[in-house]
Amino acid sequence: LAKTTQPISMDSYEGQEVNITCSHNNIATNDYITWYQQFPSQGPRFIIQGYKTKVTNEVASLFIPADRKSSTLSLPRVSLSDTAVYYCLVGDKRSSNDYKLSFGAGTTVTVRA
Amino acid sequence: IAGITQAPTSQILAAGRRMTLRCTQDMRHNAMYWYRQDLGLGLRLIHYSNTAGTTGKGEVPDGYSVSRANTDDFPLTLASAVPSQTSVYFCASSETGNSNQPQHFGDGTRLSIL
Repeated sequence: LAKTTQPISMDSYEGQEVNITCSHNNIATNDYITWYQQFPSQGPRFIIQGYKTKVTNEVASLFIPADRKSSTLSLPRVSLSDTAVYYCLVGDKRSSNDYKLSFGAGTTVTVRA
Repeated sequence: IAGITQAPTSQILAAGRRMTLRCTQDMRHNAMYWYRQDLGLGLRLIHYSNTAGTTGKGEVPDGYSVSRANTDDFPLTLASAVPSQTSVYFCASSETGNSNQPQHFGDGTRLSIL
């Protein structure tokens, strides 16, 4: 099973950039890397997804090196409302029709004023 | 608003009882998933279904069963609940089971087994 490793927690201040790195050494060739955000008492919410190099959307950027064994989620100029748990997800393909997707333990990001 | 609906929102259950958690989606997604979330362990996949009529085991399937009779519904059953199954359960769906398809989550069912 493809395992992901993330830091348990990170602290930041409003207006700073936050970078969270996820390690996924056993990522399969066809797997994408997806990041989710979760607030208390809610289900996870999709933030961004990528396969290689760099992806950017209105809320975050995702950097993926050539070997794809890690990825870094970048949150520019965070605000208090960005305080949440962030999960990195990669797939695990065991056969042509058997995909298993596994989340890591997540990174708790706390943004302070 | 389209999405995932889970029921009940929360439940307290005596050990040994049978319980079915309901999950319905209206996005016509092919793939559906059940996760449990425990403090410090993140989200762990229990069972999944890549299309109606098929199911598969995730990382922690023991003590749980699922069925996928149609596209929209994916119930999770605890045949004989035990205290270690106390957790928050999330249902999710995606267009397909491929990892390039983002998952959409419900707001969870908080289950306590006494």
